Amino acid sequence: EPEVTQTPSHQVTQMGQEVILRCVPISNHLYFYWYRQILGQKVEFLVSFYNNEISEKSEIFDDQFSVERPDGSNFTLKIRSTKLEDSAMYFCASSTEYEQDGELFFGEGSRLTVL
Amino acid sequence: AQSVSQHNHHVILSEAASLELGCNYSYGGTVNLFWYVQYPGQHLQLLLKYFSGDPLVKGIKGFEAEFIKSKFSFNLRKPSVQWSDTAEYFCAVMRYSSASKIIFGSGTRLSIRP
Repeated sequence: EPEVTQTPSHQVTQMGQEVILRCVPISNHLYFYWYRQILGQKVEFLVSFYNNEISEKSEIFDDQFSVERPDGSNFTLKIRSTKLEDSAMYFCASSTEYEQDGELFFGEGSRLTVL
Repeated sequence: AQSVSQHNHHVILSEAASLELGCNYSYGGTVNLFWYVQYPGQHLQLLLKYFSGDPLVKGIKGFEAEFIKSKFSFNLRKPSVQWSDTAEYFCAVMRYSSASKIIFGSGTRLSIRP
């Protein structure tokens, strides 16, 4: 069964450092998403991406965050200057283009720990 | 703005008990509804989804949910829980359009006593 894969599974970084989280969405999917889950809290939407541009972003997704699809397979989330409060599990998701099939398929997540 | 409310933060049941987890959403238009499950240390997995048609939806592992449009609710049920159902359960809503984001509820932690 096709799946969304994310790397790294866990990254520890110092505050102020840049972090790139990588995702390989399901190959025929065209919509991509990043969500995050701070420990013990709800899953929060960060950003959606389609046709090489951001479709929608939340207020969490400020200037320190960026996303790109550098090639035909990877979808990355960059955090420019990490803060302690960025520590969370980051989930990538993808979906198809068909309106009837709104299911998002999630990856296993990348745990980011900022020290 | 659309939102999802899960009123039960933590539910503790014994094995074989029946389960019902509440979910209400606020959005006046057509929505797609989901229940996701997150087992300890694992990623989100889809339990079931409602797009249209029969408001009683059956999912994996014996779970079902009923969409009641007049109550803006999509409660999750299982007639007899097992210890392996211990997990966090998230209700989610998506506006009926392509590429729309999913909004998650705050989750309900389910603990099953063996």
